[in-house]
Amino acid sequence: KAGVTQTPRYLIKTRGQQVTLSCSPISGHRSVSWYQQTPGQGLQFLFEYFSETQRNKGNFPGRFSGRQFSNSRSEMNVSTLELGDSALYLCASSLMWTASSGANVLTFGAGSRLTVL
Amino acid sequence: GNSVTQMEGPVTLSEEAFLTINCTYTATGYPSLFWYVQYPGEGLQLLLKATKADDKGSNKGFEATYRKETTSFHLEKGSVQVSDSAVYFCALRANTGTASKLTFGTGTRLQVTL
Repeated sequence: KAGVTQTPRYLIKTRGQQVTLSCSPISGHRSVSWYQQTPGQGLQFLFEYFSETQRNKGNFPGRFSGRQFSNSRSEMNVSTLELGDSALYLCASSLMWTASSGANVLTFGAGSRLTVL
Repeated sequence: GNSVTQMEGPVTLSEEAFLTINCTYTATGYPSLFWYVQYPGEGLQLLLKATKADDKGSNKGFEATYRKETTSFHLEKGSVQVSDSAVYFCALRANTGTASKLTFGTGTRLQVTL
């Protein structure tokens, strides 16, 4: 079955612009989460959605936002882009949003690489 | 809070050499532990996991054992191949609450040469 699909794979923006990234989870997966990966900070949790509701949020400014649609697809938006927002943004999906004692694992997409000039 | 510490890379090995990548963690309670691998230009792939103490995760010749007494989850492979060249991430997650909030180590780059 198809994996987690992220679009676009690459994009270049300039400071002050905004960007929207899209994520289609594995069919049947209802939880979607987002991570930012940078050389300096590594992998950091952004937020998680389940049933169109944000369940958890990492320590990022309000410029970072997301949403989930009724078909479980998710988008994240970054407004007023800064140079430091250049990163690989990874989306992951899982069946449910609860850890279920380790049984519920995340499957990641290939990522969207954002470059801010 | 939770944290994961991995050995610094890069690790350079010849093909068929033995691999160990060290991972230790700090966490409240008894988390689940994971190894993810990232090939160039790709996202993260789950390599193996262990959900409780003394569990051994294994996949594709890689193994790691959940050691509660030493709070470690070291990754090992008996004979590496050039195709194993990638970045390896150790991660932990609480066994209750959200499934999605993983705490990752900084990653260890492995380069295997002929």
